[in-house]
Amino acid sequence: TQLLEQSPQFLSIQEGENLTVYCNSSSVFSSLQWYRQEPGEGPVLLVTVVTGGEVKKLKRLTFQFGDARKDSSLHITAAQPGDTGLYLCAVLRGGNTNAGKSTFGDGTTLTVKP
Amino acid sequence: DTAVSQTPKYLVTQMGNDKSIKCEQNLGHDTMYWYKQDSKKFLKIMFSYNNKELIINETVPNRFSPKSPDKAHLNLHINSLELGDSAVYFCASSRKLNTEAFFGQGTRLTVV
Repeated sequence: TQLLEQSPQFLSIQEGENLTVYCNSSSVFSSLQWYRQEPGEGPVLLVTVVTGGEVKKLKRLTFQFGDARKDSSLHITAAQPGDTGLYLCAVLRGGNTNAGKSTFGDGTTLTVKP
Repeated sequence: DTAVSQTPKYLVTQMGNDKSIKCEQNLGHDTMYWYKQDSKKFLKIMFSYNNKELIINETVPNRFSPKSPDKAHLNLHINSLELGDSAVYFCASSRKLNTEAFFGQGTRLTVV
């Protein structure tokens, strides 16, 4: 069973549309990260959310951490072709056996058509 | 200046060969990682080193051996390559254990 489930798996939209992608789990986390990966590149960290209910904005991107710290969403307003990429959520797992492990979701592949 | 750099970017090799991928970070981070991304884009941790000490060794075949000569370098050596080893391998680093990771550009390994 996947620790982090992302939806939708694929999303293809027209430039200018809004979209939301989700990252869900049944576990509680102390923090959650969102990354974007462009073709042929490594994932790039976009944001870390820490507090339940927290909302962070990065230009046209809005990130929210669920109140119970089990899920998160990423909303993009007026999507542009440059937003195309693979969006990954990730959590850092602590404790003795999991220290240092970043676990990633299975990703949402976003295509924004001009 | 590239923060996390890995070489080569592309590697095509025959089954049974031995190959190495090198990684260097100039961020002054204590922790470095190797991840494998499969054809479905799923990213899975393989190894983690903290201050040159192996912290995480996921269920990875013995044919994969990481080496960290110093905190800024973490190389990955693979023996007796198999078709199933074909994937993109990412090196990453973080300031310390349990902080956000910064990734290199990846090495696309193709075993033929």
